[in-house]
Amino acid sequence: DQQVKQNSPSLSVQEGRISILNCDYTNSMFDYFLWYKKYPAEGPTFLISISSIKDKNEDGRFTVFLNKSAKHLSLHIVPSQPGDSAVYFCAASEHGTASKLTFGTGTRLQVTL
Amino acid sequence: EPEVTQTPSHQVTQMGQEVILRCVPISNHLYFYWYRQILGQKVEFLVSFYNNEISEKSEIFDDQFSVERPDGSNFTLKIRSTKLEDSAMYFCASSAQGAAGANVLTFGAGSRLTVL
Repeated sequence: DQQVKQNSPSLSVQEGRISILNCDYTNSMFDYFLWYKKYPAEGPTFLISISSIKDKNEDGRFTVFLNKSAKHLSLHIVPSQPGDSAVYFCAASEHGTASKLTFGTGTRLQVTL
Repeated sequence: EPEVTQTPSHQVTQMGQEVILRCVPISNHLYFYWYRQILGQKVEFLVSFYNNEISEKSEIFDDQFSVERPDGSNFTLKIRSTKLEDSAMYFCASSAQGAAGANVLTFGAGSRLTVL
């Protein structure tokens, strides 16, 4: 049951360039989407979120885009920094079941010098 | 910065044994959660807890699992009789509110459970 899919298990980007991480979902009841970042031996850390009533949310170097018709969201990191190297998880929740996040399998981002 | 603390960081147990994983959520948070991640798989929701009762649980959270808030600071996950497939990283999380739209979960670093 893969309601949230991250089809790229890994991504390598040069420092200073843009990183684009993608996420697709199948459940049309999802109305809130989040990105979490995870370093080894640590728990997931919240990065940025977006409500289904918006199509873009920006926070510093991080921007999340939501395309509801395509059931697709993406996280843009620009410029990418070596400290951004981590596993990035896309997560979603349904209205009314807000405490239950459905996660994707994650994309490992490596930012090279 | 406030954090969610989990103990132990790693526990090894024999199949059939009981295990208790402990969590200290952020002090002013009211909603508590357990998630788990089996090696190589996605993070999965187990249970949410509010006002001293379970508010949601997944299919994974069967009768072998229970949660408790024994005092004002701890939140525990008990697995009564562990199975090999319970081997995973267990993450505790807490949030100030229950609505994801207005709220973010803060996760602990996880407790790795290995069942032999």
